[in-house]
Amino acid sequence: AQKVTQAQTEISVVEKEDVTLDCVYETRDTTYYLFWYKQPPSGELVFLIRRNSFDEQNEISGRYSWNFQKSTSSFNFTITASQVVDSAVYFCALSPWGTGANSKLTFGKGITLSVRP
Amino acid sequence: NAGVTQTPKFQVLKTGQSMTLQCAQDMNHEYMSWYRQDPGMGLRLIHYSVGAGITDQGEVPNGYNVSRSTTEDFPLRLLSAAPSQTSVYFCASSYESGDSPLHFGNGTRLTVT
Repeated sequence: AQKVTQAQTEISVVEKEDVTLDCVYETRDTTYYLFWYKQPPSGELVFLIRRNSFDEQNEISGRYSWNFQKSTSSFNFTITASQVVDSAVYFCALSPWGTGANSKLTFGKGITLSVRP
Repeated sequence: NAGVTQTPKFQVLKTGQSMTLQCAQDMNHEYMSWYRQDPGMGLRLIHYSVGAGITDQGEVPNGYNVSRSTTEDFPLRLLSAAPSQTSVYFCASSYESGDSPLHFGNGTRLTVT
């Protein structure tokens, strides 16, 4: 069985602070995918990133960066210099490798990030 | 490009009523799936399909039925609505390739009284 734990439920920061959202996962599979999705107050789900389990390189995209550590089963997400527009619920998700992988995501419960001006 | 379209956006049902949530995608995606989102629970997989004519159960399939007669459409049927099915429902689709991200619809907010 697969499981994703996002232990932080709510985080509040002041604009321009850096913030890290934690994600810990459990799976018996040796290969898998990890994802982060953003859900702004408007309610839609926005894809942020997907990583393969065999690619442990950290990734940076503008103010966003992701740290994948297979040894600790973690896939943490850092927002640098946060902005009010970053206020949203952030979900980490896990899917198996292979046929049908994209159709079977296991989501964490989400982290509500509030960025105050 | 419409992407993934869900209808209706909002729906109120009485206990015991049935209804179908519609989902259509115009990207020729092989994979489609339904999730429900409840406060503090994240998103949970209800049913999924890897192609026309093929469906399977997810984590929380009870009380829901699906079929996939075409690549484009993946309706979710509530056979006899219960208050526990009050939720926001998301449909998603993607290509078969593992490199393809899920594309989500904008959701249907369902209330069962």
